[in-house]
Amino acid sequence: DVKVTQSSRYLVKRTGEKVFLECVQDMDHENMFWYRQDPGLGLRLIYFSYDVKMKEKGDIPEGYSVSREKKERFSLILESASTNQTSMYLCATRQYEKLFFGSGTQLSVL
Amino acid sequence: AQSVTQPDIHITVSEGASLELRCNYSYGATPYLFWYVQSPGQGLQLLLKYFSGDTLVQGIKGFEAEFKRSQSSFNLRKPSVHWSDAAEYFCAVGAGNTPLVFGKGTRLSVIA
Repeated sequence: DVKVTQSSRYLVKRTGEKVFLECVQDMDHENMFWYRQDPGLGLRLIYFSYDVKMKEKGDIPEGYSVSREKKERFSLILESASTNQTSMYLCATRQYEKLFFGSGTQLSVL
Repeated sequence: AQSVTQPDIHITVSEGASLELRCNYSYGATPYLFWYVQSPGQGLQLLLKYFSGDTLVQGIKGFEAEFKRSQSSFNLRKPSVHWSDAAEYFCAVGAGNTPLVFGKGTRLSVIA
């Protein structure tokens, strides 16, 4: 089975902090994605990557950046966390047309 | 631009009753269509997918969905709902190498 691991299940940060959300996959998939999930808004794509050192903006990239230095790891960075970034963050990889999701990180910014 | 509409935010059904969750999409090309389920505290799990061919597709957990091109719909159905089906359901559309676009989700509650 594909394993997509997000480093933290719950995270509490303060406004203005730099926040790193880590995602690691064990299946050598090229495509990786970061979504945020908010009640009533579904999943919205933040950034995605087709391969190492490649990144593409999704629908809501403002306030975020990403890093993909190794194929298995895709990091989401909040340069200066704000309260409106309190959300559930979901990482996913893709093989052909199938997405595999991590369990998510619930981030609270106070 | 591609989009997915799930008209029902929340649906409540009785255990043993039938279920239909609606999904309408807008896509410029022939779409790939998906239904995902998210149980409380869990990640998203693929229920079923449609790429081509038979417009009625079978998925896991007894779910099925029917693709209707003329109505731009991909509704999810189950003949008899179990209490364990209570979850949030997401319809998604995509094709080729483009990222999937998700609907806003439908929360399903099951009552005894």
